[in-house]
Amino acid sequence: AQSVTQPDIHITVSEGASLELRCNYSYGATPYLFWYVQSPGQGLQLLLKYFSGDTLVQGIKGFEAEFKRSQSSFNLRKPSVHWSDAAEYFCAVAPSGGYNKLIFGAGTRLAVHP
Amino acid sequence: GAGVSQSPSNKVTEKGKDVELRCDPISGHTALYWYRQSLGQGLEFLIYFQGNSAPDKSGLPSDRFSAERTGGSVSTLTIQRTQQEDSAVYLCASSQAGVGDTQYFGPGTRLTVL
Repeated sequence: AQSVTQPDIHITVSEGASLELRCNYSYGATPYLFWYVQSPGQGLQLLLKYFSGDTLVQGIKGFEAEFKRSQSSFNLRKPSVHWSDAAEYFCAVAPSGGYNKLIFGAGTRLAVHP
Repeated sequence: GAGVSQSPSNKVTEKGKDVELRCDPISGHTALYWYRQSLGQGLEFLIYFQGNSAPDKSGLPSDRFSAERTGGSVSTLTIQRTQQEDSAVYLCASSQAGVGDTQYFGPGTRLTVL
């Protein structure tokens, strides 16, 4: 069965520090890959997505993610975190060639210290 | 250019009552999804509508849950004989027709079953 693992439930970083959130997926083929962010009281907002091509994907708010087929990973990165980045981050997959049913990881809650 | 809207934003009900949750997708989006976000289960897919095709109900947790989409637009998720374990945030999303198209999420309906 398809699954998504986000190993880190909580991460705390200092403002200005770099950030990497981990995501691993289990799927027979290369799925479509997504990162969403959920701020307190807000809906889910898409940060970026990967379908094919360049394995380094740029998203909104200065985020990027790299797809590594050999590691079945799609880690999210940001070089310098801002206090407003404090939120919960969800990695999701959708089977390629199928429809858009998303399978989400458990999420990583990010706290940012001033 | 309104986004996905959901109503009500909050719903408190007593165990055993029926509830209806409403979703208005983005105009022109033919695909509509319902997800549930709960503490114990994370984000789970419930049901998917695409145009006039039969919906994919594979994520509905029991036969107490049903959904319909009228006129290819507004959708209603109905939970009959609510149980405490139904307490969660119910999220609706919509997308254009293509596989892998971005899903845009509404703010959700927080359901509390007493």
